[in-house]
Amino acid sequence: QKEVEQDPGPLSVPEGAIVSLNCTYSNSAFQYFMWYRQYSRKGPELLMYTYSSGNKEDGRFTAQVDKSSKYISLFIRDSQPSDSATYLCAMSEYSSASKIIFGSGTRLSIRP
Amino acid sequence: EAQVTQNPRYLITVTGKKLTVTCSQNMNHEYMSWYRQDPGLGLRQIYYSMNVEVTDKGDVPEGYKVSRKEKRNFPLILESPSPNQTSLYFCASSLSKNSPLHFGNGTRLTVT
Repeated sequence: QKEVEQDPGPLSVPEGAIVSLNCTYSNSAFQYFMWYRQYSRKGPELLMYTYSSGNKEDGRFTAQVDKSSKYISLFIRDSQPSDSATYLCAMSEYSSASKIIFGSGTRLSIRP
Repeated sequence: EAQVTQNPRYLITVTGKKLTVTCSQNMNHEYMSWYRQDPGLGLRQIYYSMNVEVTDKGDVPEGYKVSRKEKRNFPLILESPSPNQTSLYFCASSLSKNSPLHFGNGTRLTVT
C-alpha cells in the first residue's frame, strides 16, 4: 500500500463548478500538508500549505486536513479553464521541503 | 527573474553513456533536491543537498550521483544510464528545509 493515495482522474467539470480533490494517507506522523499544481510541460508550483490539522483559504482555493481520518482535500470554487492542470498532494513528517511524499496526481480539466 | 533552470529539457541517450543534467538557481537557496516523476508513482526524491558540500540520498538514489560544489548549482550525474532511468526529472530548491520548494521545468530523459 502506498503511503499517499490519490485518484489519478481524469476529472472533467464545467466552468464555474466546485471541484473537490482528495488524498488519503497512512502515516499518522505526517504534519506538513501541501497541494501543488502542475501545468503540462512545467514543474509543480506550490498552491497551498497547511501545518497540522484545520482549514486554510486562499482566494478560490480551500485546503482541509482531517488527521483523524488521514484525509486531505483541496476545494476550488468558481473553477476556471485556467485551473486545468494536474494537482499533486504532498506531505511530510519533517518540513515543507524535506522528505516529502507526493501523491501521483489528479488530472483536472475545466470545460468552458 | 527568480527561477530554477534545468538543462537540457529533452535528452535521448543510449545505455551506458554517461550524462549530466544541470540545475542552477538564482535565489541563493540553501536546499536543493532532485526528483523523478513516473506515471502512477508521483514524484520521488533521488538526492538532496542541505548546503554546499552536504548531500544525502533520497528514496531512489541507485544509479545516480550528485555534487554541490557551489550554492547555485546541483548537477545530476548518471554514470551508466539504463532504460529504467527513462523518466521526467525535476530539480527543486528552497531557502531552507522549512520553506516551500521551487521547481524547474523538468528534463525528459529517454535511455534506449
